[in-house]
Amino acid sequence: QSALTQPASVSGSPGQSITISCTGTSSDVGGYNYVSWYQQHPGKAPKLMIYDVSNRPSGVSNRFSGSKSGNTASLTISGLQAEDEADYYCSSYTSSSTQVFGGGTKLTVL
Amino acid sequence: EVQLVESGGGLVKPGGSLRLSCAASGFTFSNAWMSWVRQAPGKGLEWVGRIKSKTDGGTTDYAAPVKGRFTISRDDSKNTLYLQMNSLKTEDTAVYYCTTEVTGGSGYYFDYWGQGTLVTVSS
Repeated sequence: QSALTQPASVSGSPGQSITISCTGTSSDVGGYNYVSWYQQHPGKAPKLMIYDVSNRPSGVSNRFSGSKSGNTASLTISGLQAEDEADYYCSSYTSSSTQVFGGGTKLTVL
Repeated sequence: EVQLVESGGGLVKPGGSLRLSCAASGFTFSNAWMSWVRQAPGKGLEWVGRIKSKTDGGTTDYAAPVKGRFTISRDDSKNTLYLQMNSLKTEDTAVYYCTTEVTGGSGYYFDYWGQGTLVTVSS
């Protein structure tokens, strides 16, 4: 199972919006509405930000939203804040009953 | 409060073995599917494998790179998850995280994570 494809880096200024893409295949992202997104600050454990493509866990800011079209899922962060600077990973359930992560995207807030 | 505390990491030679533990509290461990996720230094996250709850059969699934070498088990009486790692390779060097995996009708995602334990495979 190959890793999902994410851009290595994205950047934006405070207050702006950014979108991170996550591309897979019909055997993972395209086949199920089971895409999740995780935020990871340096030296910390990942934190769940979005599950089932577009659902936010309790306590996660509504500035974070998710969507999916075909084999590509997206995470959008609106009203960028300095504390959003982190690595972001997508993950998907697969047809092999496994899970697969994306390679990760480093978000820089300029 | 949900807590997952990993232990057992350390330095091991290639070809060696190591067992990691994850002590769980704050939720009904026996009902939970549990997964291990690892992260090599400076690299991304990689799913290692899972064990289902005994109610759901208690079976395991593994990622291709570790299948046949790693074994996940659980002791529900001790609220503890294990990862037995054999025939270790240098590419197994990583921080290993224990996670709860929400499954089924509620989706498939990792909601709680431990702080991780570092495994270094080197001669």
